[in-house]
Amino acid sequence: DADVTQTPRNRITKTGKRIMLECSQTKGHDRMYWYRQDPGLGLQLIYYSFDVKDINKGEISDGYSVSRQAQAKFSLSLESAIPNQTALYFCATSGGPGEEAFFGQGTRLTVV
Amino acid sequence: RKEVEQDPGPFNVPEGATVAFNCTYSNSASQSFFWYRQDCRKEPKLLMSVYSSGNEDGRFTAQLNRASQYISLLIRDSKLSDSATYLCVVNGGGSYIPTFGRGTSLIVHP
Repeated sequence: DADVTQTPRNRITKTGKRIMLECSQTKGHDRMYWYRQDPGLGLQLIYYSFDVKDINKGEISDGYSVSRQAQAKFSLSLESAIPNQTALYFCATSGGPGEEAFFGQGTRLTVV
Repeated sequence: RKEVEQDPGPFNVPEGATVAFNCTYSNSASQSFFWYRQDCRKEPKLLMSVYSSGNEDGRFTAQLNRASQYISLLIRDSKLSDSATYLCVVNGGGSYIPTFGRGTSLIVHP
């Protein structure tokens, strides 16, 4: 089993719908991240969390919200999906400051 | 100016060639540096860490130049299987958030 698991792997949704992307990890890491990747733009940070009680906005948080339900679980929600949120979404974890990040396999989201 | 900048390429090289990528970063307080490899639309995976003293792993060599604020990746004897996007990652600032460059595309052809 993967250390970082994202569900769903693919999703097509309609404009205006609420959608949740889930991430769980078995690495025991405190730090978790949500990134979005668009072609040619690299990975952009949406939200990050350093522990269950700590949630922080990244560079592109507008239109998104997150929930850290437990150390192992970090969910990303799109409250009202719009077409320009069509992208590849990655969840990642790291063990501590400056340590390498481990990624889930990604969720391919299409908003029509 | 983006915090981490890379030439997106593509770098198109024949098998056996040596190719080098550079990455510049803007935050002089950055503390840790990595190169990741990403195959088409899959998750990034760690290729190697970059230490102040440099780091070599087989055909791959990574170096850090703090004074000029750049890191480099050298690939010797390129293989077809090296074709991928190479992402530069810098952890720095107060929270040590992994910050990614746009990636450099490498295409190795026969």
